[in-house]
Amino acid sequence: AQSVAQPEDQVNVAEGNPLTVKCTYSVSGNPYLFWYVQYPNRGLQFLLKYITGDNLVKGSYGFEAEFNKSQTSFHLKKPSALVSDSALYFCAVSLRNSGNTPLVFGKGTRLSVIA
Amino acid sequence: DSGVTQTPKHLITATGQRVTLRCSPRSGDLSVYWYQQSLDQGLQFLIQYYNGEERAKGNILERFSAQQFPDLHSELNLSSLELGDSALYFCASSSGIRAAATSGNTIYFGEGSWLTVV
Repeated sequence: AQSVAQPEDQVNVAEGNPLTVKCTYSVSGNPYLFWYVQYPNRGLQFLLKYITGDNLVKGSYGFEAEFNKSQTSFHLKKPSALVSDSALYFCAVSLRNSGNTPLVFGKGTRLSVIA
Repeated sequence: DSGVTQTPKHLITATGQRVTLRCSPRSGDLSVYWYQQSLDQGLQFLIQYYNGEERAKGNILERFSAQQFPDLHSELNLSSLELGDSALYFCASSSGIRAAATSGNTIYFGEGSWLTVV
């Protein structure tokens, strides 16, 4: 079975500083990895995904994530945080060639960017 | 706007009652997924339908059921409601049968239906 861990419930960063939201995964094969963001009282919005190829994936709103197979990680990063980035971030994994296995989500990390 | 439409946005009902949540997927998407988001359980996958057929089942209670209609919209039926069923219920859709089987198969989420059981 696949699983995702987001080790930090909360991440605080000052505006303009780089941010990292951590994600590690566990699957028995090759993963597809995703990041979603949830703003207050809104649905989940797709940010980016890793399917194959380049380990550095660029997504929406200046976010990027690096797939590291040896460390089974897929950390979300942004060079310069904005106050508007404050939200709940979810990492998710799906197993490649798994038939109908759905996305499994981590518990989420609340990012707070302080002006 | 993801293109996934859910109704109602908010619903308050009493214990023991039954409710139906409705979802219209993005145009052209054949797969519909239902997720439950609660404070203590996080995002839990409930069930997936593909072109009218059930394709995957997660932690869905027997009191809950879903279906996908020929026009591809889906309904999630929650019955004999308990206080613990209070949560945000998301519908999501994708074009393919598998999440991310190809680069086009991103799952897109609706805004959710807030259910409060009192």
